[in-house]
Amino acid sequence: DTEVTQTPKHLVMGMTNKKSLKCEQHMGHRAMYWYKQKAKKPPELMFVYSYEKLSINESVPSRFSPECPNSSLLNLHLHALQPEDSALYLCASSQAPSLPEGGSTGELFFGEGSRLTVL
Amino acid sequence: GDSVTQMEGPVTLSEEAFLTINCTYTATGYPSLFWYVQYPGEGLQLLLKATKADDKGSNKGFEATYRKETTSFHLEKGSVQVSDSAVYFCALGKFYFGSGTKLNVKP
Repeated sequence: DTEVTQTPKHLVMGMTNKKSLKCEQHMGHRAMYWYKQKAKKPPELMFVYSYEKLSINESVPSRFSPECPNSSLLNLHLHALQPEDSALYLCASSQAPSLPEGGSTGELFFGEGSRLTVL
Repeated sequence: GDSVTQMEGPVTLSEEAFLTINCTYTATGYPSLFWYVQYPGEGLQLLLKATKADDKGSNKGFEATYRKETTSFHLEKGSVQVSDSAVYFCALGKFYFGSGTKLNVKP
């Protein structure tokens, strides 16, 4: 069983809707991540939170808005999405934060993902 | 910049065959290397990892050795099973993933 829980597992929304994806971990990890994965592609990093502060935003459009209310929770607020935003959205956590330039040793713990379809 | 190059798939094998999935990397510094596995409809799971040169990661019969001289981290398994059918991702640190290799194992 995964220790990173994502809800909902499936979400269908129109382009004018506002919805949120939620992620929760209780491993005491201090870094949390959002990735976007299109079919037959690797995960693409969107956002990184380190110690509840946004540390990396990979030039993600503003229609995606992350939020980290506390060290265990991570949300992704969705508004005015486009059909091309349909994808599997993966949340992950790690014990220690890191920056790309600094390298890292710890692994990522992924949730099972939220499958988003934008009509 | 840092990057990971992974062999294209799909790879189709018969049960009990030997598996190799090639992975090479370009890195500044000394990052850890990982193999993750993704089953249909699921997130990624860590399969194995190596944190420094010459380390060998192993799990569930899979192995990979961190080779600094050839900048490689190839995944191997001596005898695959149908249940190993999945997509395998090589990763450098937390931010750089290979393109993924789909493995199909036939009975």
